[in-house]
Amino acid sequence: EVQLVESGGGLVQPGGSLRLSCAASGFTFSSYWMHWVRQAPGKGLVWVSRINSDGSSTSYADSVKGRFTISRDNAKNTLYLQMNSLRAEDTAVYYCARGRSSSSWYYDYWGQGTLVTVSS
Amino acid sequence: EIVMTQSPATLSVSPGERATLSCRASQSVSSNLAWYQQKPGQAPRLLIYGASTRATGIPARFSGSGSGTEFTLTISSLQSEDFAVYYCQQYNNWPPATFGQGTKVEIK
Repeated sequence: EVQLVESGGGLVQPGGSLRLSCAASGFTFSSYWMHWVRQAPGKGLVWVSRINSDGSSTSYADSVKGRFTISRDNAKNTLYLQMNSLRAEDTAVYYCARGRSSSSWYYDYWGQGTLVTVSS
Repeated sequence: EIVMTQSPATLSVSPGERATLSCRASQSVSSNLAWYQQKPGQAPRLLIYGASTRATGIPARFSGSGSGTEFTLTISSLQSEDFAVYYCQQYNNWPPATFGQGTKVEIK
């Protein structure tokens, strides 16, 4: 059974940092592109970042470029999102999601999400 | 960036009735369109990809159609568990792969 389990969310002050983790199991993690998608309270889904299967290529939404860094450890089957210089508008539930393929960026499995709240 | 527009924002339907949800892209996305269902407090669940292919385990009452810029998700006979928010997503032009704002299907 495919499972994605996020952790690391919490309350952080504006300008602060957090690192989110997503532990994967039930599939060959190293074969899949992985993504982070976020959802502000009461709002829709917004793609944040993606990383290719071996970690050599990444991309980011303009809203987080230069502040967030996606990475992965295929030996530990874990995806990460390092979030720096956090702003109030980064408040959201952050989901990790498995991309169906390198060219098909739809998401066949999602984690349960972890809430990040940026507030003083 | 391709903008996805869903309509209506809210759809009130009685159990057993048909629901038709629309999604429009600001430019052609071919058939690279997915639909997701999200219930309160839960992660999204993939329903449809390739505009019309049901994902694994999705009941046959869910069907997708369309190509180019106009897409439809139809739920043929609404069950109680189908009341949720539905999102479309294009993955033809990326990054970013963009989502619509969602359609809430509520009990009439």
